[in-house]
Amino acid sequence: GENVEQHPSTLSVQEGDSAVIKCTYSDSASNYFPWYKQELGKRPQLIIDIRSNVGEKKDQRIAVTLNKTAKHFSLHITETQPEDSAVYFCAASRTGNMLTFGGGTRLMVKP
Amino acid sequence: EPEVTQTPSHQVTQMGQEVILRCVPISNHLYFYWYRQILGQKVEFLVSFYNNEISEKSEIFDDQFSVERPDGSNFTLKIRSTKLEDSAMYFCASSERLAGAYEQFFGPGTRLTVL
Repeated sequence: GENVEQHPSTLSVQEGDSAVIKCTYSDSASNYFPWYKQELGKRPQLIIDIRSNVGEKKDQRIAVTLNKTAKHFSLHITETQPEDSAVYFCAASRTGNMLTFGGGTRLMVKP
Repeated sequence: EPEVTQTPSHQVTQMGQEVILRCVPISNHLYFYWYRQILGQKVEFLVSFYNNEISEKSEIFDDQFSVERPDGSNFTLKIRSTKLEDSAMYFCASSERLAGAYEQFFGPGTRLTVL
């Protein structure tokens, strides 16, 4: 089955700096890659997703890149703000039903 | 904005007891899911449900688990005989599942504690 590895497990940045979180996946048939943000005690919320027919997608300060050959995808957050502090999860899916999640990255943005 | 809701927020039970976790998916969604997250670990897929039947399930979803859509709005996860290792946060999710639309919306979770 699919296996998703996520790095780093914790990331501390200064407000205004950029943050990059990387994920690798094992199933070459995976074609959908969402990123979820989970604030403490709250539900995971989708922040951006990408499908295998594109290599990059951007939404304001957030971007995701996908390298299908290398089977990795990354989340980029620019101009980080304290409210970006949360746990971020990447996931991969072949069918759109079963999401296989990475282990999560705790992002801390220091004011 | 419509949201997935789950009840209860916290359930405490004795080992061997049956529990039912309840979810109300977003009303026009067609696909429903259960995930769990053991404290400090990954979010893990349990099962997906469409058109009143299971469409996909993981190895975790064994015979002690079952899902049901008892009416037009609720979606339930039953654990027949709980074990200590079933203690986790259980998330329900739903998606509209139009062509190419995979976004899964998560509920707030039910924290299950098995004593």
